[in-house]
Amino acid sequence: SQQGEEDPQALSIQEGENATMNCSYKTSINNLQWYRQNSGRGLVHLILIRSNEREKHSGRLRVTLDTSKKSSSLLITASRAADTASYFCATVWYNNNDMRFGAGTRLTVKP
Amino acid sequence: EPEVTQTPSHQVTQMGQEVILRCVPISNHLYFYWYRQILGQKVEFLVSFYNNEISEKSEIFDDQFSVERPDGSNFTLKIRSTKLEDSAMYFCASSVVRSGTDTQYFGPGTRLTVL
Repeated sequence: SQQGEEDPQALSIQEGENATMNCSYKTSINNLQWYRQNSGRGLVHLILIRSNEREKHSGRLRVTLDTSKKSSSLLITASRAADTASYFCATVWYNNNDMRFGAGTRLTVKP
Repeated sequence: EPEVTQTPSHQVTQMGQEVILRCVPISNHLYFYWYRQILGQKVEFLVSFYNNEISEKSEIFDDQFSVERPDGSNFTLKIRSTKLEDSAMYFCASSVVRSGTDTQYFGPGTRLTVL
């Protein structure tokens, strides 16, 4: 399966702390994307990282990709209560046009 | 900022009935997708659509499902004879080019409840 699998399944931290979520996958990918989902809502795109990239930043978000280990991480720095959500990685396989999601990490940031 | 829209936000139907879920993708996007998320589970790919044809579909997308772009703006998902296990959030997404090289933008979803 090309699906990403996140860990941990759930993470609870205090406001101001950093949160790190990891994603592993099994097949060669074209790109990997991270999405956020607030409870019962739609998916918000955070970052896309291509297979030839190793790191990307967007505001307080930092994503790394290690294709040799087939893994990615999402770091949220200086977390806020509003960051409370589920975070999903999604992989796109070479020569495919579909995107496969992992089960997600449920992040809770306590004020 | 352009966004993907979906209607209705919530659809309740009886088992065995047909439902049509509607989506309006972002106007200059060429690729369209449907996903579903059963409550508490992961988001699952259903189908991708380009140039008025299905380009990929998952094992979930069986004969009871169909997609259509009836006009220049709408993209629909039809479930012919709903089952209890079809209850889920259904998300539409669109992208400018193939998702291998581009971001997919998601709509807010339609919650389908089959009774």
